[in-house]
This record gives sequence, C-alpha cells and structure tokens, in this order.
Amino acid sequence: DTEVTQTPKHLVMGMTNKKSLKCEQHMGHRAMYWYKQKAKKPPELMFVYSYEKLSINESVPSRFSPECPNSSLLNLHLHALQPEDSALYLCASSHNVAYGNTIYFGEGSWLTVV
Amino acid sequence: DQQVKQNSPSLSVQEGRISILNCDYTNSMFDYFLWYKKYPAEGPTFLISISSIKDKNEDGRFTVFLNKSAKHLSLHIVPSQPGDSAVYFCAAVSANAGNMLTFGGGTRLMVKP
Repeated sequence: DTEVTQTPKHLVMGMTNKKSLKCEQHMGHRAMYWYKQKAKKPPELMFVYSYEKLSINESVPSRFSPECPNSSLLNLHLHALQPEDSALYLCASSHNVAYGNTIYFGEGSWLTVV
Repeated sequence: DQQVKQNSPSLSVQEGRISILNCDYTNSMFDYFLWYKKYPAEGPTFLISISSIKDKNEDGRFTVFLNKSAKHLSLHIVPSQPGDSAVYFCAAVSANAGNMLTFGGGTRLMVKP
C-alpha cells in the first residue's frame, strides 16, 4: 500500500480566510513533504519534515504554515493568501529523507483563492 | 536555470507502438533519477527509477535508459496503451542534497487507439 491521502480535494477560500490542508499516510514513512504545482509547471518543493521536525523550508511565505502533529499526519495552514497562491498542493512521503528513497505523492488538493 | 529539462512538451504515439520520452540534466551531481506519471486532477504516480551505477532498468512495459556521459535519460514504453496517456515528469536527486526531487517540465503523452 503506497497511499498518501489528502483532504480536501478542492478548496475555495477568500483572501481573509484561514483554512488548512490535511495529509495522512500509514506507510510508516518518517519523511513528509509539501509541494506546490501551478498549471503546466512541474511540482515545486515547499517544505520537508523529517521525523516530525521541519528540516527544509524553501523560502515559502509565512502565510503558509506547515505542521506535523505526528508521524502520520501533515497539515498546511493557510492564512491571508493571495490569488496567485491558487494551485494544486501535493503532499508526499518517503521512508526517510535519505537519498534514494522513493517519494510517493497524494492526489493533491486544488486550492482556489478568490 | 532549469537543471532538468524535458524538451518535448508533447508526444503523440499510436497504440501498440513504442513511446520514447527524453530528459536531459545539467547538474553532474545528480545520480538518481525517477519517472512519474500524472493524470489530470491527480498527484504524480511513481513509475520507475534508476541509479547512476546502472545504465538500464526495466519494469514490465517500462524501461529507463541512462547515458551519464551525455547527461541524458529516456523512458521507453512498449507497447504503448491508451491508458498511458498522461503527463510524464522526469526527476533527479543528488546524494549531497538528501532526497529532494528536481523535476523537469513534463511531457504530455497521447496514445491514440
């Protein structure tokens, strides 16, 4: 089973709203990732969590706030977003952050900021 | 500067024939490569990978070839099926950068019945 589950699949939010994207995996993976993908572009890395600790933040604006409550869950808290933040947000996981571990992606959450 | 490039944005192939998707990279530190397939409205699905110590890896209908000297890899799908129609992303990892994927821009494959 290589399943990464993301909720919600679709989210529309206003620029003053606070919302969260959720991600769950039960593969025992200790590395979890958030990627952002705009239309016709490849996925871009946002954050990496290793053993529930934030290990990489790719200079993401503070209006995106990740949280890893436990080894199976990863959240992305959204506040005061801009319309240009509209994109597909992908959660992924791998056994750990060591080189060569296959990264498995969820189906993504489509975010529209109005 | 794009370190991983997929120069063909789209490719059209007849069902049953071979599909060849190409990927070039510039960073000589990359030594592990992966191919992902992506349907619209879904996340990328891992297909196949290859380490730089190999020049070929095969899994069913999918074969990845790596030419380190040319910094080039390709994904062969034989025989192509209509269900293979999707966007294919090449991704690269370097050992000194942990497990961070650098993606190419993707190639849209259309397999015609």
